[in-house]
Amino acid sequence: DSGVTQTPKHLITATGQRVTLRCSPRSGDLSVYWYQQSLDQGLQFLIQYYNGEERAKGNILERFSAQQFPDLHSELNLSSLELGDSALYFCASSGGWGGQETQYFGPGTRLLVL
Amino acid sequence: GQSLEQPSEVTAVEGAIVQINCTYQTSGFYGLSWYQQHDGGAPTFLSYNALDGLEETGRFSSFLSRSDSYGYLLLQELQMKDSASYFCAVKGDKIIFGKGTRLHILP
Repeated sequence: DSGVTQTPKHLITATGQRVTLRCSPRSGDLSVYWYQQSLDQGLQFLIQYYNGEERAKGNILERFSAQQFPDLHSELNLSSLELGDSALYFCASSGGWGGQETQYFGPGTRLLVL
Repeated sequence: GQSLEQPSEVTAVEGAIVQINCTYQTSGFYGLSWYQQHDGGAPTFLSYNALDGLEETGRFSSFLSRSDSYGYLLLQELQMKDSASYFCAVKGDKIIFGKGTRLHILP
């Protein structure tokens, strides 16, 4: 158990819909990272927040957005969903902001868009 | 552009040694990390190299040569439970993961 929690574990929705994925980092960690993992693309870094502020942005689509709240939990919002958004979404946390520290991954949210 | 290259699959025999290579091309470089992921599970951290040389953690070792933009993960005394995918990751201007190397272990 990494100490990072993600909800929900599974999510099934339809194209065009909007969903919110939630992540709680390990106690004391200030950074939260979001990743998308699909079979053909591997792990793709989406975005990083550090202590409530956006720190780094990767290959995140404009239809996706994220935020980190004062209690340090984070939410990833996916809107206008397409079939290709079906993937495993991981969040990870670390203590620092540089991105080079050890990242602890949550169990993931499996999203299926029908 | 930025990229990481690692073999898609490697096969080795139980009890043997296997090396998984990773070459990278990034803008900026802070360090190279390795993660293990079992089927259906989340990635778990194995090692991190910021400086050139070899880092050893039990049966696993990781090596980095920044001048060659190259690193590898060395797994010794292979066990069946080591069957998994292994990802290298680089933090440069962005965080980039390789596509993973699937390690198959034969009894």
